Amino acid sequence: EPEVTQTPSHQVTQMGQEVILRCVPISNHLYFYWYRQILGQKVEFLVSFYNNEISEKSEIFDDQFSVERPDGSNFTLKIRSTKLEDSAMYFCASSEDGYTFGSGTRLTVV
Amino acid sequence: RKEVEQDPGPFNVPEGATVAFNCTYSNSASQSFFWYRQDCRKEPKLLMSVYSSGNEDGRFTAQLNRASQYISLLIRDSKLSDSATYLCVVRGIMNTGFQKLVFGTGTRLLVSP
Repeated sequence: EPEVTQTPSHQVTQMGQEVILRCVPISNHLYFYWYRQILGQKVEFLVSFYNNEISEKSEIFDDQFSVERPDGSNFTLKIRSTKLEDSAMYFCASSEDGYTFGSGTRLTVV
Repeated sequence: RKEVEQDPGPFNVPEGATVAFNCTYSNSASQSFFWYRQDCRKEPKLLMSVYSSGNEDGRFTAQLNRASQYISLLIRDSKLSDSATYLCVVRGIMNTGFQKLVFGTGTRLLVSP
């Protein structure tokens, strides 16, 4: 069964540092998403991406965040200057009809 | 009002019990409805889609009432492996024409021997 792959599985970073979270969506999917889940809270939409551009973003997705599709397979989420409150699980998803989620990156900001 | 609202639980039930989860959503324009399962610190995984006519998948039955904006999930003959958090998820069309999933906070189920 096709999978969405995310790396790394766990990232620890110091406050103020930049992090890049990586995702390889399912190859024939055209829509890509990032969601985040703070520990003990609900899964929240961050951004959707289609045709090499952002199609929608949430209030959470401020200027600290950016997404890119640097090549034909990878889809990245960059956080420029991490804050303590950015600590969360970050899930990448891709969809054609149904959604498939990656196993997530646990980001810990210290 | 929250976009998708669920009772957080936990629901503690013995093996073999029947348990029901409820969910309400606020956006009447929502188009598609799902139940996802999430194990501790794992990604959400689709359990089943929910249709107005009601649908069943083995021990799981889902119902949708569009008029009341209410979704339910019934699990019969609970197994230990059913222990997880069950997420009510609604898909809507945004102003841009694109879609997003909106998640409830989830209902935690603990099935004990």
